[in-house]
Amino acid sequence: DAGVIQSPRHEVTEMGQEVTLRCKPISGHDYLFWYRQTMMRGLELLIYFNNNVPIDDSGMPEDRFSAKMPNASFSTLKIQPSEPRDSAVYFCASSFSLGGTEAFFGQGTRLTVV
Amino acid sequence: AQKITQTQPGMFVQEKEAVTLDCTYDTSDPSYGLFWYKQPSSGEMIFLIYQGSYDQQNATEGRYSLNFQKARKSANLVISASQLGDSAMYFCAMREIQGAQKLVFGQGTRLTINP
Repeated sequence: DAGVIQSPRHEVTEMGQEVTLRCKPISGHDYLFWYRQTMMRGLELLIYFNNNVPIDDSGMPEDRFSAKMPNASFSTLKIQPSEPRDSAVYFCASSFSLGGTEAFFGQGTRLTVV
Repeated sequence: AQKITQTQPGMFVQEKEAVTLDCTYDTSDPSYGLFWYKQPSSGEMIFLIYQGSYDQQNATEGRYSLNFQKARKSANLVISASQLGDSAMYFCAMREIQGAQKLVFGQGTRLTINP
């Protein structure tokens, strides 16, 4: 398996534009996590899915953020409209449902909003 | 609510010395897993080691070992014979097994190995 695949790797956008980040989890994994990493706030869990269903979105900072998982092999994180404070590295990770198994991370998307 | 605390923002260690990175946690779930990840300057998240709450022995993986003290709710990572390539950010994480299986991370510790 190629691992968790995120796209794009880098995104530079202007304030106010819509941004869509994409993630393809490892085949067979039934949990998918979205994280945001910044120097100030560290690694924050934004939302996670189990079997394509959102379980907890309490980490989503505000209504400008939304996430979907239309099928087991694809998820998106959308920011609309984007703001400079959204600049961060966004990670997607996937795992099996057993709590004792590690989550595998994608390479991350570095988002810069100017 | 589950919480992970790493109190050492940065650590500096001489090459070949052992180093201990601290991690404490809080949870009401009796069944949980503890993880350590390494993030080098290139940015990827690398899984290092896992400890289950019911495991009787401390986990080991090569030069990595986890000093698990359940009563104190601590899960410190020990790196033996440190190498220059160990310089990175290290994150402790916890996942409740009986609950919603949320995976949460601590703030991280930046480890620098000096030659």
